[in-house]
Amino acid sequence: DIQMTQSPSTLSASVGDRVTITCQASQHISNSLNWYQQKPGKAPKLLIYEASNLETGVPSRFSGSGSGTHFTFTISSLQPEDTSTYYCQQYDNLPPAFGQGTRLEIK
Amino acid sequence: EVQLVESGGGLVQPGGSLRLSCAASGFTFTSYGMNWVRQAPGKGLEWVSYIRSSSSTIYYTDSVKGRFTISRDDAKSSLYLQMNSLRDEDTAVYYCARDRYSYGSIDYWGQGTLVTVSS
Repeated sequence: DIQMTQSPSTLSASVGDRVTITCQASQHISNSLNWYQQKPGKAPKLLIYEASNLETGVPSRFSGSGSGTHFTFTISSLQPEDTSTYYCQQYDNLPPAFGQGTRLEIK
Repeated sequence: EVQLVESGGGLVQPGGSLRLSCAASGFTFTSYGMNWVRQAPGKGLEWVSYIRSSSSTIYYTDSVKGRFTISRDDAKSSLYLQMNSLRDEDTAVYYCARDRYSYGSIDYWGQGTLVTVSS
């Protein structure tokens, strides 16, 4: 099974900061990677698909990059409503696997 | 607007059974594969099962093989998860989720239904 390793596990940043989360796959997954945002008590929401494509309706401050085994998720200018847990997920091989999540807090 | 509404969760004893349902609307259900994903309390996300459109292909995570059965009724735009021989570790919020491409490429999620396995 492919393992997805996210870092950091928690992150505290200020409004306006540039924030980066990384996701490492244990095997090559091409660009078969999504990023999700989950607020407490809510369902996850798709932000980035195929590693770098912004989902319709998602603010342009969110972006993704990478291919193969190393991926990056960036918020260019952190907003208060971005407080959430973020997950990467690969769908290249069975079983689909999620990273452990990154909890992002506003200072 | 895509909507996925789960139901059927609740409290069940270890070894018991439960059937989850997911009512889909706002899209052509027959054109999409569907997934179940779960999240134990305070934990991360875990993919559980996938069913392709027309039920031609089905996959399960190893921990539920032989105990859970995914199915769909295209006439009712509904997805199901029959859960048997439930264990404490199956306690979680179960999400119904639409698949964009193939297994696990999820683009829309339901609000989830809580399954609690406890004596």
